[in-house]
Amino acid sequence: DGGITQSPKYLFRKEGQNVTLSCEQNLNHDAMYWYRQDPGQGLRLIYYSQIVNDFQKGDIAEGYSVSREKKESFPLTVTSAQKNPTAFYLCASSPPTGGGGSYEQYFGPGTRLTVT
Amino acid sequence: SQQGEEDPQALSIQEGENATMNCSYKTSINNLQWYRQNSGRGLVHLILIRSNEREKHSGRLRVTLDTSKKSSSLLITASRAADTASYFCATDTRSGYALNFGKGTSLLVTP
Repeated sequence: DGGITQSPKYLFRKEGQNVTLSCEQNLNHDAMYWYRQDPGQGLRLIYYSQIVNDFQKGDIAEGYSVSREKKESFPLTVTSAQKNPTAFYLCASSPPTGGGGSYEQYFGPGTRLTVT
Repeated sequence: SQQGEEDPQALSIQEGENATMNCSYKTSINNLQWYRQNSGRGLVHLILIRSNEREKHSGRLRVTLDTSKKSSSLLITASRAADTASYFCATDTRSGYALNFGKGTSLLVTP
């Protein structure tokens, strides 16, 4: 899965608890992303970061938070404010675009979060 | 927002046959990409085609892009059981970084 690790593979939490999903890359990529995937659906962007100490909201950022203190790491916290947190979460990274449009993204293996 | 939309949603073929899936999008793009996802796994990049390209090949994959129709197609020739996966198209966004993914085409290749 391209030098990106996500842990754990499966995560179970009780409703009302915050949970943090880990994402680490050793590809020396500046940009990192978090997507959410629901069954039979495509990927929806939660947050992305173009560079350390900077990040932007995606289409479905409500109930999530991120940090980017190191180039290699982009953890995602699913807060208790997220109404339907059960989903498959995918982290990705890419090199900087240089203004020519998007580059290919490298994905981690994903974390399946179940909240009951 | 999901800009790309794949068609068909599901496709079932036999080994050796060709598989064609289509993607339509709404706004102008710089690049369009295709990804594969095996069940329960992360996505794997297959091919990127730029807006000034009409066709691109990679092994058994052939991608076409028609910017006037805002559509792209992915052809997998001589399919194998190992090609069984979901295939997604993705278009770039104004940020130049994030991608818009479609809902995917689920391909089943039977021996």
